[in-house]
Amino acid sequence: GAVVSQHPSRVICKSGTSVKIECRSLDFQATTMFWYRQFPKQSLMLMATSNEGSKATYEQGVEKDKFLINHASLTLSTLTVTSAHPEDSSFYICSASMETRGYTFGSGTRLTVV
Amino acid sequence: GESVGLHLPTLSVQEGDNSIINCAYSNSASDYFIWYKQESGKGPQFIIDIRSNMDKRQGQRVTVLLNKTVKHLSLQIAATQPGDSAVYFCAENIGYSTLTFGKGTMLLVSP
Repeated sequence: GAVVSQHPSRVICKSGTSVKIECRSLDFQATTMFWYRQFPKQSLMLMATSNEGSKATYEQGVEKDKFLINHASLTLSTLTVTSAHPEDSSFYICSASMETRGYTFGSGTRLTVV
Repeated sequence: GESVGLHLPTLSVQEGDNSIINCAYSNSASDYFIWYKQESGKGPQFIIDIRSNMDKRQGQRVTVLLNKTVKHLSLQIAATQPGDSAVYFCAENIGYSTLTFGKGTMLLVSP
């Protein structure tokens, strides 16, 4: 089956620093990758959609200069949280999609900014 | 019984009971629906899906029902087990574009 690997699973960083999260589709080429954020006891909120080789499309209210998304290949997308602050602490989840194979989710990254 | 928590409604059942989790979706144009299970600290795990041209689909121990008239989706879990305890989300989609997730329901299964 389709497998998406997300790293790191947990990261703690100091306020003001940047953190990069990787999302890889291991056994298929993802035409589209999605990044979600999830706060405790809440649903997944879509942050942005990215297609390989093009700029990401951000949802309303998501700062594109703060949450940098790079989708350099059909198997890798990265999310960089720049100048992180405590309010950016959250669970970040990626998803990879290929039309005939639906959506596959990564295992998530717990970001804690101290 | 079912109760509404701070953000997440909770359904508590006994092991062996059948569970029914409900979801109201928002877009009448949605043509694809998915149920996901999410355990604490993990990403969503696919359970079952259904297209808008169907009203029922069955899997192993799970059944999804779709009522397009009232924009309602349900997930039925037969013979619920403690391992089924998790948060369940429905998600809707139009033409393989972005998924929109529902609010989620926490299922608690007591031995």
